[in-house]
Parts: sequence; C-alpha cells; structure tokens
Amino acid sequence: QLQLQESGPGLVKPSETLSLTCSVSGDSISTDIYYWGWVRQPPGKGLEWIASILYTGRTYYSPSLRSRVTISVDTSENQFSLKLSSVTAADTAVYYCARRRGGRNYFDYWGQGTLVTVSS
Amino acid sequence: QSVLTQPPSVSAAPGQKVTISCSGSSSNVGINFVSWYQQLPGAAPKLLIYENNVRPSGIPDRLSGSKSGTSATLGITGLQTGDEADYYCGTWDSSLDAEVFGGGTKLTVL
Repeated sequence: QLQLQESGPGLVKPSETLSLTCSVSGDSISTDIYYWGWVRQPPGKGLEWIASILYTGRTYYSPSLRSRVTISVDTSENQFSLKLSSVTAADTAVYYCARRRGGRNYFDYWGQGTLVTVSS
Repeated sequence: QSVLTQPPSVSAAPGQKVTISCSGSSSNVGINFVSWYQQLPGAAPKLLIYENNVRPSGIPDRLSGSKSGTSATLGITGLQTGDEADYYCGTWDSSLDAEVFGGGTKLTVL
C-alpha cells in the first residue's frame, strides 16, 4: 500500500523559506506513469495546486507561485521536496503531498498533510 | 477566485440524491479529464471519481460522475450522514499549464 508522509517545520518566519519533504513508501518514485505533487489548503479555504514533478526532474509549477517555488526529487531516498521562498502569512496552510497520474489529471494518493504557519 | 466554479453548498435529506456541478471552460473541463475528491473534516482529500466517471476500487456505486461540454457533475444517491463533507472537482488547464480545482462544495445531509 502506497503511503506518503510530509515532514518539515511547522512554523516559518515571514520572508524566510518554507521547506518540506514527502517520503514515499510502498512503491518506487521512479515511474513514468506518475508525477508527484504538492497541494496546499489555507485554513477554511479550498485546495490550491503548487507544483508537480516526474522522477526525471520534469517539473510543472503553478503560475501564481512559480517565482517562489522549487520542487525537486531524490530517487535514491524515494522522496521529493518543496521549497517556497519569501513566505508571508498568506502562505499559512496545510500542505499535502500527493501522487498524480500522468495524462489523466487525478491525484490518487495523498499524505495526511502538515500545517505550516508563517509567523514571527 | 477559482478557475472551476462549484456551488458553495448543497443539502438534501438522508436517502435522497444530490448533484454537485463544476463549471469550467474550453481550456480545462472542455478538453481534459475531470476528477472529484471528498474531504472529511480534518482529513486529506480522497479520490472519488477520475477520468470523468470512473470510480476507484472501494468507492460505492452510489457515486457517479459525468461531463458535458465545459461542465462536470458529481452525483450521490442514497445520501448518508457520513457523506457530509467538502467536495472538490479538479482537472488540468491546458492554457495555464496548471492543475486547477474548484472552490469546493459543502454537502450537508439534513
């Protein structure tokens, strides 16, 4: 059974960089069929896609966050990561990592999510 | 403002049927597969429907999906109190080159 687990600081100061890692277990991240992505949800609001990556390093970014986001993959550790720079209070959200079926537009496995609060 | 438009809320009595709409455009719903997710309070989203109308293993046939033109619909029959949740539609937008979600619909089972 595939499992995804987010990890990283729960509190980040304004203007600093948010860094999260998603550890994948139960299957290899090195597959041509699936992308690996990040989706966030501000408190009381809806889902917002951030970025997705294929194990080869091919990436897709949200147009609204592109200038501040980097997604990367580490196939040796079977994990992928997110960096979001210059954070503000508006970046406070639950961050989910998820597996996305390539070419089919759906996320079939999700991590439990991790709350990241931006505050001094 | 979400790219995909959903009603903020819907409600119906136990045992009844409800539909949730997802309106998009020719660059997203009109040409790409739509998926639907259920999010229970405090939980991660769960895939309910993919490729417009396909249920993953374990999803009951009380749930159904359809698409026509630039709109998609999620249907739930035989409503149960356990169906109370937020529901989201999602797809790829070929103009934005981005995943897009609807704003979410809160289902209340009265």
